[in-house]
Amino acid sequence: AQTVTQSQPEMSVQEAETVTLSCTYDTSESNYYLFWYKQPPSRQMILVIRQEAYKQQNATENRFSVNFQKAAKSFSLKISDSQLGDTAMYFCATVYGGATNKLIFGTGTLLAVQP
Amino acid sequence: GAVVSQHPSRVICKSGTSVKIECRSLDFQATTMFWYRQFPKQSLMLMATSNEGSKATYEQGVEKDKFLINHASLTLSTLTVTSAHPEDSSFYICSAQRAGSSDEQYFGPGTRLTVT
Repeated sequence: AQTVTQSQPEMSVQEAETVTLSCTYDTSESNYYLFWYKQPPSRQMILVIRQEAYKQQNATENRFSVNFQKAAKSFSLKISDSQLGDTAMYFCATVYGGATNKLIFGTGTLLAVQP
Repeated sequence: GAVVSQHPSRVICKSGTSVKIECRSLDFQATTMFWYRQFPKQSLMLMATSNEGSKATYEQGVEKDKFLINHASLTLSTLTVTSAHPEDSSFYICSAQRAGSSDEQYFGPGTRLTVT
């Protein structure tokens, strides 16, 4: 069975500093994707970054980058130069269900960026 | 591109009535749409997978007769909560997967359902 675990319910960071959100997962899929989604107070889910498991290179998107450790089944998100607009709930997710591409989410980390 | 809309954004209904929520992909065709439920301060839980022109596939524990899903076209899926009860009050979110895409889902803004 697929599981996604986020062990940090809440985190806080000062504006302009760097923060890392943790995620571990387990999957029976041979090839899979991993995602970080952001859910701000508006509740709109926004894709932050994604990683294809067969790619060894860590994905980056501007201030967001991941540390993907496939053997350890770890997929952490690093946010550099944190901004007030980064305040949101962050969900780690992976795909399961073969061709159906269903998403399973972690429990989320509430990130507060302090001015 | 890849915009998904939901209507209504908020709905209040009385216990025992039914309510329909629409999910539309505005600028792409979606062969597959997904419906999620999110309780306050919790994660998204997949309810069902909807494929255009076929019956929806429900996750374990989700009552198919209570949550009716119809995916009549490549741009529209609907979720009808039948005989709603206060415990059905929740935030319902849909997502759409672009035809030919293998991974990314695009999310709607969600619908807040309150059953009184």
